[in-house]
Amino acid sequence: DAGVTQSPTHLIKTRGQQVTLRCSPKSGHDTVSWYQQALGQGPQFIFQYYEEEERQRGNFPDRFSGHQFPNYSSELNVNALLLGDSALYLCARGAKNQPQHFGDGTRLSIL
Amino acid sequence: SQKIEQNSEALNIQEGKTATLTCNYTNYSPAYLQWYRQDPGRGPVFLLLIRENEKEKRKERLKVTFDTTLKQSLFHITASQPADSATYLCALGSGGYNKLIFGAGTRLAVHP
Repeated sequence: DAGVTQSPTHLIKTRGQQVTLRCSPKSGHDTVSWYQQALGQGPQFIFQYYEEEERQRGNFPDRFSGHQFPNYSSELNVNALLLGDSALYLCARGAKNQPQHFGDGTRLSIL
Repeated sequence: SQKIEQNSEALNIQEGKTATLTCNYTNYSPAYLQWYRQDPGRGPVFLLLIRENEKEKRKERLKVTFDTTLKQSLFHITASQPADSATYLCALGSGGYNKLIFGAGTRLAVHP
């Protein structure tokens, strides 16, 4: 058990819609990071939160936004969905410069 | 731009043999390198972390080497078992917070 729960496990949306994905790390005071993993590819870093602030961001457009709550849980929001947003979205927790513990992700399909 | 390359072809080996997976990188100076295992439909699971000032790390049947001059890491699984069949991901980190840059992974199949 990696101690990271993601919901929902699967989601189907249509182009132009908006989606919110959720992540609940079991323990607190770690960084919480979000990654996008397309089929056959490695995870791509979206952004990272620590102490409720976005600390680092990857090369993703502003359509991707997030939030971290005082209880360390986090949300990833994607607006104006495109077909290319279809992927496995992973959440990871971990202390700085330490191994990351991943959830099993949310599989997002865009029709 | 930063680039990480892992064997794109699947690696097929016989049970009991040693599997060796390669991770090469360019245009990057990582502070550490991590290896993860990923099973279909699951998130990556951490295996080993090696820092820039370390040459080798071992954990049970696993061994990782890190050559910052060659910009390469090798990941070995000795006495491989069918249960070791999975995709193995190499990831680089540069310190600060925890942003990881992943390779595309290598699929390993261990046959009885």
